[in-house]
Amino acid sequence: DADVTQTPRNRITKTGKRIMLECSQTKGHDRMYWYRQDPGLGLRLIYYSFDVKDINKGEISDGYSVSRQAQAKFSLSLESAIPNQTALYFCATGQGLNEQFFGPGTRLTVL
Amino acid sequence: AQSVTQLDSQVPVFEEAPVELRCNYSSSVSVYLFWYVQYPNQGLQLLLKYLSGSTLVKGINGFEAEFNKSQTSFHLRKPSVHISDTAEYFCAVSEPGYNKLIFGAGTRLAVHP
Repeated sequence: DADVTQTPRNRITKTGKRIMLECSQTKGHDRMYWYRQDPGLGLRLIYYSFDVKDINKGEISDGYSVSRQAQAKFSLSLESAIPNQTALYFCATGQGLNEQFFGPGTRLTVL
Repeated sequence: AQSVTQLDSQVPVFEEAPVELRCNYSSSVSVYLFWYVQYPNQGLQLLLKYLSGSTLVKGINGFEAEFNKSQTSFHLRKPSVHISDTAEYFCAVSEPGYNKLIFGAGTRLAVHP
Protein backbone atom coordinates (compact mmCIF):
# COMPACT_ATOMS: atom_id res chain seq x y z
CA ASP A 1 0.00 0.00 0.00
CA ALA A 2 1.14 3.53 -0.78
CA ASP A 3 2.53 5.53 2.15
CA VAL A 4 1.20 8.87 0.85
CA THR A 5 -2.14 8.85 -0.96
CA GLN A 6 -3.94 11.64 -2.75
CA THR A 7 -7.57 11.86 -3.82
CA PRO A 8 -8.79 12.46 -6.39
CA ARG A 9 -6.05 11.58 -8.91
CA ASN A 10 -7.71 13.62 -11.62
CA ARG A 11 -10.28 16.41 -11.40
CA ILE A 12 -11.89 18.67 -13.96
CA THR A 13 -13.84 21.61 -12.60
CA LYS A 14 -15.22 24.95 -13.71
CA THR A 15 -14.14 28.46 -12.90
CA GLY A 16 -15.60 29.65 -9.60
CA LYS A 17 -16.15 26.22 -8.10
CA ARG A 18 -14.80 25.26 -4.68
CA ILE A 19 -12.80 22.06 -4.64
CA MET A 20 -10.81 20.10 -2.10
CA LEU A 21 -7.81 17.88 -2.65
CA GLU A 22 -7.06 15.38 0.08
CA CYS A 23 -3.85 13.81 1.30
CA SER A 24 -3.38 10.96 3.75
CA GLN A 25 -0.19 9.33 5.01
CA THR A 26 0.67 6.19 6.92
CA LYS A 27 4.33 7.10 7.49
CA GLY A 28 3.72 8.70 10.89
CA HIS A 29 5.49 11.90 9.85
CA ASP A 30 4.73 15.21 11.52
CA ARG A 31 5.54 17.44 8.57
CA MET A 32 3.24 17.69 5.54
CA TYR A 33 3.44 19.88 2.44
CA TRP A 34 1.41 20.87 -0.61
CA TYR A 35 3.16 21.76 -3.88
CA ARG A 36 2.04 22.59 -7.39
CA GLN A 37 4.02 21.59 -10.45
CA ASP A 38 3.90 23.58 -13.67
CA PRO A 39 5.96 22.78 -16.78
CA GLY A 40 9.28 24.60 -16.69
CA LEU A 41 8.76 25.88 -13.16
CA GLY A 42 9.50 22.82 -11.06
CA LEU A 43 7.64 22.41 -7.76
CA ARG A 44 6.50 25.42 -5.80
CA LEU A 45 5.40 25.27 -2.17
CA ILE A 46 1.81 26.30 -1.43
CA TYR A 47 1.40 25.50 2.28
CA TYR A 48 3.15 23.40 4.88
CA SER A 49 2.43 22.10 8.36
CA PHE A 50 4.89 20.89 10.98
CA ASP A 51 2.20 19.49 13.26
CA VAL A 52 -1.57 19.56 13.67
CA LYS A 53 -1.60 23.04 15.21
CA ASP A 54 0.98 24.56 12.88
CA ILE A 55 0.05 25.86 9.40
CA ASN A 56 2.36 28.05 7.30
CA LYS A 57 2.10 29.78 3.94
CA GLY A 58 4.53 28.84 1.22
CA GLU A 59 5.65 30.95 -1.73
CA ILE A 60 2.36 30.78 -3.66
CA SER A 61 -0.48 30.53 -1.10
CA ASP A 62 -2.85 33.12 -2.63
CA GLY A 63 -6.12 31.50 -3.72
CA TYR A 64 -5.54 28.39 -1.60
CA SER A 65 -6.31 27.29 1.96
CA VAL A 66 -5.45 24.16 3.92
CA SER A 67 -6.70 22.12 6.84
CA ARG A 68 -4.70 19.70 8.98
CA GLN A 69 -7.44 17.48 10.34
CA ALA A 70 -5.08 15.00 12.00
CA GLN A 71 -1.42 14.07 11.92
CA ALA A 72 -2.15 11.85 8.95
CA LYS A 73 -4.44 14.15 6.93
CA PHE A 74 -3.75 17.43 5.17
CA SER A 75 -6.29 18.91 2.73
CA LEU A 76 -5.87 21.67 0.16
CA SER A 77 -8.85 23.80 -0.89
CA LEU A 78 -9.36 26.14 -3.79
CA GLU A 79 -12.15 28.45 -2.65
CA SER A 80 -12.98 29.73 -6.11
CA ALA A 81 -11.02 27.93 -8.80
CA ILE A 82 -9.56 29.86 -11.74
CA PRO A 83 -7.96 28.55 -14.95
CA ASN A 84 -4.39 29.45 -13.95
CA GLN A 85 -4.72 27.01 -11.05
CA THR A 86 -4.66 24.21 -13.62
CA ALA A 87 -1.61 22.19 -12.56
CA LEU A 88 -0.33 18.98 -11.04
CA TYR A 89 -0.59 19.06 -7.24
CA PHE A 90 1.60 17.02 -4.93
CA CYS A 91 1.37 16.26 -1.25
CA ALA A 92 4.52 15.31 0.62
CA THR A 93 5.52 14.28 4.13
CA GLY A 94 8.79 14.84 5.90
CA GLN A 95 10.79 13.77 8.89
CA GLY A 96 14.44 13.77 9.87
CA LEU A 97 17.06 15.49 7.77
CA ASN A 98 14.77 17.40 5.40
CA GLU A 99 14.00 14.43 3.13
CA GLN A 100 10.44 14.45 1.79
CA PHE A 101 8.20 11.65 0.51
CA PHE A 102 5.72 12.41 -2.24
CA GLY A 103 2.26 11.21 -3.12
CA PRO A 104 1.30 10.28 -6.70
CA GLY A 105 -0.18 13.67 -7.50
CA THR A 106 -3.56 15.13 -8.47
CA ARG A 107 -4.02 16.52 -11.96
CA LEU A 108 -6.41 19.46 -11.73
CA THR A 109 -7.97 21.17 -14.74
CA VAL A 110 -9.99 24.34 -14.29
CA LEU A 111 -12.11 25.24 -17.30
CA ALA B 1 17.62 33.43 -0.20
CA GLN B 2 18.26 30.00 -1.60
CA SER B 3 17.74 29.14 -5.24
CA VAL B 4 18.46 26.23 -7.56
CA THR B 5 19.33 26.41 -11.24
CA GLN B 6 19.16 23.36 -13.46
CA LEU B 7 21.14 24.38 -16.48
CA ASP B 8 19.47 22.13 -19.05
CA SER B 9 15.72 21.85 -19.48
CA GLN B 10 16.07 18.83 -21.78
CA VAL B 11 18.87 16.32 -22.32
CA PRO B 12 18.59 13.81 -25.16
CA VAL B 13 21.01 10.87 -25.04
CA PHE B 14 21.41 7.47 -26.65
CA GLU B 15 21.07 4.28 -24.66
CA GLU B 16 24.30 3.12 -22.96
CA ALA B 17 25.87 6.58 -23.27
CA PRO B 18 26.98 8.52 -20.16
CA VAL B 19 24.94 11.46 -18.97
CA GLU B 20 25.41 14.45 -16.68
CA LEU B 21 22.55 16.61 -15.43
CA ARG B 22 23.76 19.90 -14.06
CA CYS B 23 22.59 21.66 -10.91
CA ASN B 24 23.87 24.84 -9.30
CA TYR B 25 22.56 26.37 -6.10
CA SER B 26 22.93 29.60 -4.22
CA SER B 27 22.99 29.77 -0.45
CA SER B 28 24.93 31.70 2.15
CA VAL B 29 24.95 28.83 4.61
CA SER B 30 25.60 25.12 4.64
CA VAL B 31 23.06 23.08 2.71
CA TYR B 32 21.55 19.70 2.19
CA LEU B 33 21.19 18.70 -1.48
CA PHE B 34 18.84 16.24 -3.14
CA TRP B 35 18.06 14.75 -6.52
CA TYR B 36 14.56 13.45 -7.15
CA VAL B 37 13.25 11.57 -10.21
CA GLN B 38 9.72 11.73 -11.60
CA TYR B 39 8.72 8.93 -13.97
CA PRO B 40 5.75 9.59 -16.27
CA ASN B 41 2.46 9.87 -14.36
CA GLN B 42 4.12 9.29 -11.01
CA GLY B 43 5.18 11.26 -7.95
CA LEU B 44 8.73 12.19 -7.08
CA GLN B 45 11.14 9.57 -5.79
CA LEU B 46 14.40 10.30 -4.01
CA LEU B 47 17.48 9.33 -6.05
CA LEU B 48 20.18 10.48 -3.66
CA LYS B 49 21.05 13.09 -1.07
CA TYR B 50 24.06 14.93 0.29
CA LEU B 51 23.94 15.84 3.96
CA SER B 52 27.60 15.93 4.98
CA GLY B 53 30.82 13.95 4.67
CA SER B 54 32.01 12.46 1.40
CA THR B 55 31.32 14.74 -1.52
CA LEU B 56 30.62 11.82 -3.87
CA VAL B 57 27.18 10.42 -3.20
CA LYS B 58 25.83 7.22 -4.68
CA GLY B 59 22.13 6.68 -5.18
CA ILE B 60 19.68 4.23 -6.61
CA ASN B 61 19.66 2.90 -10.19
CA GLY B 62 23.39 3.54 -10.71
CA PHE B 63 23.25 7.31 -10.33
CA GLU B 64 25.81 9.35 -8.42
CA ALA B 65 26.36 13.04 -7.71
CA GLU B 66 29.26 15.14 -6.56
CA PHE B 67 28.96 18.07 -4.19
CA ASN B 68 31.35 20.88 -5.08
CA LYS B 69 31.20 23.63 -2.49
CA SER B 70 33.51 26.04 -4.32
CA GLN B 71 31.46 25.73 -7.52
CA THR B 72 28.14 25.53 -5.58
CA SER B 73 27.20 22.60 -7.77
CA PHE B 74 25.68 19.17 -7.34
CA HIS B 75 25.74 17.51 -10.76
CA LEU B 76 24.09 14.13 -11.32
CA ARG B 77 25.86 11.47 -13.41
CA LYS B 78 25.31 8.00 -14.73
CA PRO B 79 27.99 6.16 -16.76
CA SER B 80 25.53 4.22 -18.94
CA VAL B 81 21.86 5.07 -19.25
CA HIS B 82 18.93 2.82 -20.07
CA ILE B 83 15.65 3.50 -21.80
CA SER B 84 13.99 3.17 -18.38
CA ASP B 85 15.90 6.23 -17.14
CA THR B 86 13.70 8.44 -19.28
CA ALA B 87 12.10 10.77 -16.73
CA GLU B 88 12.23 14.26 -15.30
CA TYR B 89 14.92 14.96 -12.72
CA PHE B 90 14.73 17.62 -10.04
CA CYS B 91 17.52 19.08 -7.95
CA ALA B 92 16.55 20.51 -4.56
CA VAL B 93 18.30 22.36 -1.74
CA SER B 94 17.51 22.86 1.91
CA GLU B 95 19.15 24.46 4.91
CA PRO B 96 19.70 22.15 7.88
CA GLY B 97 16.77 22.48 10.26
CA TYR B 98 14.80 24.61 7.81
CA ASN B 99 12.60 21.67 6.79
CA LYS B 100 11.67 23.10 3.40
CA LEU B 101 12.96 22.18 -0.03
CA ILE B 102 13.65 24.61 -2.86
CA PHE B 103 13.37 22.88 -6.23
CA GLY B 104 14.95 23.60 -9.56
CA ALA B 105 12.83 23.76 -12.72
CA GLY B 106 13.68 20.18 -13.69
CA THR B 107 15.61 18.47 -16.48
CA ARG B 108 13.82 16.12 -18.82
CA LEU B 109 16.09 13.21 -19.75
CA ALA B 110 15.11 11.41 -22.93
CA VAL B 111 17.00 8.17 -23.62
CA HIS B 112 16.79 7.00 -27.23
CA PRO B 113 17.54 3.49 -28.58
